[in-house]
Amino acid sequence: DAGITQSPRHKVTETGTPVTLRCHQTENHRYMYWYRQDPGHGLRLIHYSYGVKDTDKGEVSDGYSVSRSKTEDFLLTLESATSSQTSVYFCAISGPDSAGELFFGEGSRLTVL
Amino acid sequence: AQSVTQLDSQVPVFEEAPVELRCNYSSSVSVYLFWYVQYPNQGLQLLLKYLSGSTLVKGINGFEAEFNKSQTSFHLRKPSVHISDTAEYFCAVSPPDTGRRALTFGSGTRLQVQP
Repeated sequence: DAGITQSPRHKVTETGTPVTLRCHQTENHRYMYWYRQDPGHGLRLIHYSYGVKDTDKGEVSDGYSVSRSKTEDFLLTLESATSSQTSVYFCAISGPDSAGELFFGEGSRLTVL
Repeated sequence: AQSVTQLDSQVPVFEEAPVELRCNYSSSVSVYLFWYVQYPNQGLQLLLKYLSGSTLVKGINGFEAEFNKSQTSFHLRKPSVHISDTAEYFCAVSPPDTGRRALTFGSGTRLQVQP
């Protein structure tokens, strides 16, 4: 299994509070991604990173920010959580020899009340 | 931009029966194609992928998929399913290796294998 750890795995929070999800990899892969999974929508890309301090927006980036100060860590922040951000969040990584394949973490389930 | 359509949200099937999960994509350029499987409360894992070459691709757990460029399809098949195949299956596309590697996923198909 690819060395990807997401934390926390489960979180319940209240509307308006900030939340940070962490993705940590031990594979030294250059590319990292945050997706959210919702019923009927599959996985949708939030943000991605092609290297340290090199990030870009995906299709559902509103309300989210990311940071990557080290190769191994990719943080997803919800500055002020809303109920529409209740979802399961997946981190994924890929490397130059992956031929497009992504390797996924176990997911972080976030509930915003 | 690419998009993926999985035509069936749920597919019920009896154990040992064959199954086909359908996937169609839209893209103005050539693409890489993938099928991922997600077991309950787990992340996604790769079943198989098409990059180039033979249009029939074999994957893990007895699954295979056929790339049809004229129909822009990449349907997943298994000749005989097991209870353990019950899971959600996702089709995904990405552009060829141009430096942008993010996958675009379909909405998923839930395969329910019944005894």
